[in-house]
Amino acid sequence: EPEVTQTPSHQVTQMGQEVILRCVPISNHLYFYWYRQILGQKVEFLVSFYNNEISEKSEIFDDQFSVERPDGSNFTLKIRSTKLEDSAMYFCASSVRVGSTDTQYFGPGTRLTVL
Amino acid sequence: GENVEQHPSTLSVQEGDSAVIKCTYSDSASNYFPWYKQELGKGPQLIIDIRSNVGEKKDQRIAVTLNKTAKHFSLHITETQPEDSAVYFCAASRSSGSARQLTFGSGTQLTVLP
Repeated sequence: EPEVTQTPSHQVTQMGQEVILRCVPISNHLYFYWYRQILGQKVEFLVSFYNNEISEKSEIFDDQFSVERPDGSNFTLKIRSTKLEDSAMYFCASSVRVGSTDTQYFGPGTRLTVL
Repeated sequence: GENVEQHPSTLSVQEGDSAVIKCTYSDSASNYFPWYKQELGKGPQLIIDIRSNVGEKKDQRIAVTLNKTAKHFSLHITETQPEDSAVYFCAASRSSGSARQLTFGSGTQLTVLP
């Protein structure tokens, strides 16, 4: 069964450094998402992406964040200058819109630790 | 924006008993309500979803009910098994032209005791 994959599983970085989190969505999916989950808190929406542009973004997704689909398979989230409060689990998700079917399938996540 | 409240935060049941998790939402325009199961170290996995044009949906031991008037929806798991132990999240969203933004509840840690 196809699945969303994410790399790395765990990323440790120093405050102020740039990080890139990578995702490979399910191959025939057209909509891509990033969510994050701070330890012990809710899963929060960051951004959605469709047709090579951002569809929606939350207040969390400020100028320090960017997303890109550099090729036909990868979807990346970049944090330019990490802060301590960026430490969280980051989940990528993808969906395909077929009629009213748009189930989002989540990857296993990348745990980001900012020191 | 949408706000989703989920209760209880923890739930312990004996194997074979039923478990019920409840969620309320605030945005009357929300029309899609998925439930996700998250096991330790894994991403959320969809277990069932319901759209606002139906009031109930069932898939084997799992069922979801939706009350649009009261803006609440519930997950029912019958004949619970130890492998049902996990964190369960409800979510809500509405169509926004293209992609959907899911708003999640705070999660319920379900423990099924053998």
